[in-house]
Amino acid sequence: EAGVTQFPSHSVIEKGQTVTLRCDPISGHDNLYWYRRVMGKEIKFLLHFVKESKQDESGMPNNRFLAERTGGTYSTLKVQPAELEDSGVYFCATRRYLRGGVDNEQFFGPGTRLTVL
Amino acid sequence: GENVEQHPSTLSVQEGDSAVIKCTYSDSASNYFPWYKQELGKRPQLIIDIRSNVGEKKDQRIAVTLNKTAKHFSLHITETQPEDSAVYFCAASSNRGSSASKIIFGSGTRLSIRP
Repeated sequence: EAGVTQFPSHSVIEKGQTVTLRCDPISGHDNLYWYRRVMGKEIKFLLHFVKESKQDESGMPNNRFLAERTGGTYSTLKVQPAELEDSGVYFCATRRYLRGGVDNEQFFGPGTRLTVL
Repeated sequence: GENVEQHPSTLSVQEGDSAVIKCTYSDSASNYFPWYKQELGKRPQLIIDIRSNVGEKKDQRIAVTLNKTAKHFSLHITETQPEDSAVYFCAASSNRGSSASKIIFGSGTRLSIRP
């Protein structure tokens, strides 16, 4: 099966500009997560979709970040306006739904490297 | 809040020797512990995982141990090879209300294998 894909692979923007990242999940994976790794630190959770609904957005840093998953397929993460501290690698991961809520593997995309100048 | 600590941050071992990476977690509700390997410029990939009802799991040269009482878990790689060089992340996840299944990652260990 095709893996999780993300677009673009790299983005360089100036402070104050807007950037939209896209994630296409593995077909049939209802659960979609956004994570971010900043400056070689740990990978941090941003939010979790179950189909088109936001299940948990406790990791979103502030209201400059907006995630959507219209139709429960691909997801977008928009940063507006971007700040210097938003630089990092943004990962998307997806997971199948299992009855009983038992966790299983999250499959990661290749990430989008965002640089804010 | 939920936290996973990982040590060491860097590790260099001679090819053929063993490597051990240790992690601790804070959330007692955590019940799933995956380990991810990220090679340079590539996506994180699951290499092994363990659930809270198991104390040890092995897959060829890789093994994980879990001590629920102490909230410790470790990754052991034996007979290391050059292709084991990568950043390794431990992680913890729990099923609890609306936060079920988000992964909390450790800060990563950069493992280098010396030829």
